[in-house]
Amino acid sequence: DQQVKQNSPSLSVQEGRISILNCDYTNSMFDYFLWYKKYPAEGPTFLISISSIKDKNEDGRFTVFLNKSAKHLSLHIVPSQPGDSAVYFCAASALGNQFYFGTGTSLTVIP
Amino acid sequence: NAGVTQTPKFRVLKTGQSMTLLCAQDMNHEYMYWYRQDPGMGLRLIHYSVGEGTTAKGEVPDGYNVSRLKKQNFLLGLESAAPSQTSVYFCASSYGRVNTGELFFGEGSRLTVL
Repeated sequence: DQQVKQNSPSLSVQEGRISILNCDYTNSMFDYFLWYKKYPAEGPTFLISISSIKDKNEDGRFTVFLNKSAKHLSLHIVPSQPGDSAVYFCAASALGNQFYFGTGTSLTVIP
Repeated sequence: NAGVTQTPKFRVLKTGQSMTLLCAQDMNHEYMYWYRQDPGMGLRLIHYSVGEGTTAKGEVPDGYNVSRLKKQNFLLGLESAAPSQTSVYFCASSYGRVNTGELFFGEGSRLTVL
C-alpha cells in the first residue's frame, strides 16, 4: 500500500509562473520530508527538506509547505524556469528510518 | 569527488541468470541503500545497510541479496533473475539516519531480464 502519494503524474506550467506540486501521505508517524528532482538518465538529486516541527521551508525559488493535519505537503517553484522541467519525487520517513517515495510528478515548464 | 558510482550502467540477462550490481561511495557515509524504480511505482527500497557488515530488508527484498563487506561498497545480487526484476536500480548513501540529512543517489543501472 502506497504510503506516499503524488496524484498528479504530470504538470505543465508557463515559464515565469508558479509551479505547485502536491504530495499526500497516510502514515502519521512520518516526521521528515524531502523533495527530489530527477532528470532523465540521471539519479535523483536533493532539492529541499522539511521537518514536522515546521510548516514551511524556503530555499531560493523553492518553498515546501507542510500541513500535518491534512497529511499534505506541497512544493512551490516561483518563478518556474525551463530548466526546472524534470520529475519531482516527494519522500517521507518516520523516526529516521527508511524513506518512502511517491510515484513522481513530471513537470514541464513551457518557454 | 565521484559521489556514488554504480556499475554496470546497463545489463541484459536471460531468465535464471545471476548477476551483481556494485555500488561505491567515496563520502565515508555509514548508510547505504538499494532502490528500484518502476513505472507508476516510484522508488521502492530493496535492502539497506546501516554500517559495514550489516544489512536489512526494505519494502521489496524478495529475489535479492546484498553484502556490505567494506564501508564504501554495497553489492546487490540477483541469484536467479526473473522478468519481474526488469527495472532501473538506484544506489544511495547517507551520512547517518535519514532524518538528519539527505540521500545521495547514483546515476542508476538499467537491468532487463528476458
